[in-house]
Amino acid sequence: AQKITQTQPGMFVQEKEAVTLDCTYDTSDQSYGLFWYKQPSSGEMIFLIYQGSYDEQNATEGRYSLNFQKARKSANLVISASQLGDSAMYFCAIVGGSNYKLTFGKGTLLTVNP
Amino acid sequence: EAGVAQSPRYKIIEKRQSVAFWCNPISGHATLYWYQQILGQGPKLLIQFQNNGVVDDSQLPKDRFSAERLKGVDSTLKIQPAKLEDSAVYLCASSLGPRSVFGPGTRLTVT
Repeated sequence: AQKITQTQPGMFVQEKEAVTLDCTYDTSDQSYGLFWYKQPSSGEMIFLIYQGSYDEQNATEGRYSLNFQKARKSANLVISASQLGDSAMYFCAIVGGSNYKLTFGKGTLLTVNP
Repeated sequence: EAGVAQSPRYKIIEKRQSVAFWCNPISGHATLYWYQQILGQGPKLLIQFQNNGVVDDSQLPKDRFSAERLKGVDSTLKIQPAKLEDSAVYLCASSLGPRSVFGPGTRLTVT
């Protein structure tokens, strides 16, 4: 069984500042992957970043980076230089083993203030 | 490449009526998923197909929900009869490997 915990229901950040969204996970799989998706008010799930459990370096994708701490079972998303368009729900998710179904957390609503 | 297509985008029905949603995955993606996202929650997997076979339907309420993926391409999810608690966004996704690509979703309101 897999579980994702996102403890921040909502976060506020000023435009151009950096923000960290927390995610902890639990899994019995030796091989797994961690994802962050963005969901704007339109409803579509937009892939942001992926980290494999055996990847030694933290994943980065433009302004997004994933702070992966395997021993702590955490996979926090860092957004640098926040933009107004970053205001959305952010979901952390995990896949494990050979089955690529996603288990999601409850999400964090990020609001970027001008 | 073309994305995952879903229709309709919005649907309003009364309880006890039936409804069907359609999904066309990205060409070549063997795996197709249907997720249910209730307001304020993360998506929950309803059913997963590999080509035209079911891999996981453990959380599909089989007394009222059904899904098929004939010919291993597009898929239909049906609810019959609908209940108030079925009001949600139904997301279809497809994948070749671990990364899933999502469609725009169908927002269902049951009154």
